[in-house]
Amino acid sequence: DAGVIQSPRHEVTEMGQEVTLRCKPISGHDYLFWYRQTMMRGLELLIYFNNNVPIDDSGMPEDRFSAKMPNASFSTLKIQPSEPRDSAVYFCASSFGNRGHYGYTFGSGTRLTVV
Amino acid sequence: AQSVSQHNHHVILSEAASLELGCNYSYGGTVNLFWYVQYPGQHLQLLLKYFSGDPLVKGIKGFEAEFIKSKFSFNLRKPSVQWSDTAEYFCAVSPSSNDYKLSFGAGTTVTVRA
Repeated sequence: DAGVIQSPRHEVTEMGQEVTLRCKPISGHDYLFWYRQTMMRGLELLIYFNNNVPIDDSGMPEDRFSAKMPNASFSTLKIQPSEPRDSAVYFCASSFGNRGHYGYTFGSGTRLTVV
Repeated sequence: AQSVSQHNHHVILSEAASLELGCNYSYGGTVNLFWYVQYPGQHLQLLLKYFSGDPLVKGIKGFEAEFIKSKFSFNLRKPSVQWSDTAEYFCAVSPSSNDYKLSFGAGTTVTVRA
């Protein structure tokens, strides 16, 4: 298995533009998480899905952020419009049920820079 | 909601030195505990985890952690570090009743000098 695949690896965009981050979880995993990592706030859980359904989006900063999971093998995190304070590394992770006993597998992240 | 605190922001040590990273959590119920490592430029990888049973947990690469329930702690240890252990280490906790909401500590950067 190739692991959790995120694209793009790096994204530089201008303030006000729409940004879409993509994630392909490990096949068979039924939980998918989006995290944001910054120096100031560390790792924050933004949203997670179970069987493609959003379960908890309380970590999504504001309405500019939205996440979808149209099927078991694909998820997107969209920021519209983007702002410089959104600059961070965004990680996607997936997990197989069973109370998380197998841990969470993280993708390599997308480093977003909003100028 | 649970929270996690890691005592050291940055630790610098020489090869073959022993390492101990502190982690405390606050949560009133039972928890699952994790240590993750992030090597420079890479994604997070699971080092070890504790769910129940023996409070001394052994993980990969010679790391171990001890869960002390009375102290709400889950400290990470390695008796002899190598240069390749240079990385950022994150402690994480999730309530046993809701295993999927994983909260991370701020992380500890470990620099091992050759």
